[in-house]
Amino acid sequence: QVQLVQSGSELKKPGASVKVSCKASGYSFSTYAMNWVRQAPGQGLEWMGWVNTNTGNPTYAQDFTGRFVFSLDTSVSTAYLQISSLKAEDTAVYYCARASGDGMDVWGQGTTVTVSS
Amino acid sequence: SYELTQPSSVSVSPGQTARITCSGDVLAKKYGRWFQQKPGQAPVLVIYNDSERPSGIPERFSGSSSGTTVTLTISGAQVEDEADYYCYSAADNYRVFGGGTKLTVL
Repeated sequence: QVQLVQSGSELKKPGASVKVSCKASGYSFSTYAMNWVRQAPGQGLEWMGWVNTNTGNPTYAQDFTGRFVFSLDTSVSTAYLQISSLKAEDTAVYYCARASGDGMDVWGQGTTVTVSS
Repeated sequence: SYELTQPSSVSVSPGQTARITCSGDVLAKKYGRWFQQKPGQAPVLVIYNDSERPSGIPERFSGSSSGTTVTLTISGAQVEDEADYYCYSAADNYRVFGGGTKLTVL
């Protein structure tokens, strides 16, 4: 079945970097774009942007430029989110979600990133 | 940028009809979608294209649209429907979620 499996929880110090993975299975990876969504503790969903899995071209939402990078490894059907220069306010659950048209139909289970000294 | 506005909370008794609204200018031109999120879980799509229901979603979930507002209706709400609900829309190269509505069924 169609599935997105994300990497495990991360605990990082301020200023460090983190790379979250999202492995797709059950469908042709390059046929559907991939979205990234952030959810801070007790807060709502924020769309971070998406990556074209055919071309690798990323699009970042306004609040997610500079320290956030979307990348791919199509050979293993995996999308990545890298965050550099981590801050306490980056503490959140990060989700990947398959694009269906301009919507999202299948979500990963989420990866918790905690930034603390 | 675009904004979608939802009530922060809605409360109903089991068996009653729950209605959650979502308003935003983008909805006059683009479809609305609804996600259900239970504590500790990833969001699940319950309505797409304003009123379409994905397979596996109970028939008590329905959606409608009028002007700049979309509405999620849960007819005969069940205790297991208690969750956060987020509306969502897309325009051009931009995607946006509403702030979320906590539905209490008690």
